Amino acid sequence: KAGVTQTPRYLIKTRGQQVTLSCSPISGHRSVSWYQQTPGQGLQFLFEYFSETQRNKGNFPGRFSGRQFSNSRSEMNVSTLELGDSALYLCASSSNSHTDTQYFGPGTRLTVL
Amino acid sequence: GQNIDQPTEMTATEGAIVQINCTYQTSGFNGLFWYQQHAGEAPTFLSYNVLDGLEEKGRFSSFLSRSKGYSYLLLKELQMKDSASYLCAVKGNTPLVFGKGTRLSVIA
Repeated sequence: KAGVTQTPRYLIKTRGQQVTLSCSPISGHRSVSWYQQTPGQGLQFLFEYFSETQRNKGNFPGRFSGRQFSNSRSEMNVSTLELGDSALYLCASSSNSHTDTQYFGPGTRLTVL
Repeated sequence: GQNIDQPTEMTATEGAIVQINCTYQTSGFNGLFWYQQHAGEAPTFLSYNVLDGLEEKGRFSSFLSRSKGYSYLLLKELQMKDSASYLCAVKGNTPLVFGKGTRLSVIA
């Protein structure tokens, strides 16, 4: 079974721009969660989608948004980029239940200049 | 609130045993996970505990005490490739909450 895939792997943007990141979950997984990882803060939860609905949301500003499609693929968007948005963005998928193990994709390394 | 604590860094010798501790305070409890993350790579799943006790998986074992809000990851017969960050994560009534990770360096 193929793992979680994320595109692009690396991205360089300038302040004020917007960016869209994509995540394809493991086949059969319906839940997709997004995390931001920085050296100082560790892994922080952004949001979770299940069956095209946002099920949970972390404490990030409204500039961070996401969506999920009927095939469970998910995208996240960050508008009006700030320098502090430079981070590794990780997507994780799980099958369904509250306690299911999450499997991570390789991440997208975003650098904001 | 929710809080997960684990040591920032540890160093151990090849062939030895190391124990990485994790203490947590969360609203509700639906399981504790350990992940391994090599530099520049994604976290990979190591273990899951939901009941008290020890779960053994090859060279890795994980222990949970729900009453104490405590877990540890035990790595035996350390190898150089075990040098990585180890992340403790707890699922309570909210999505998975991660500790900041313990960076383990294995030296010869």
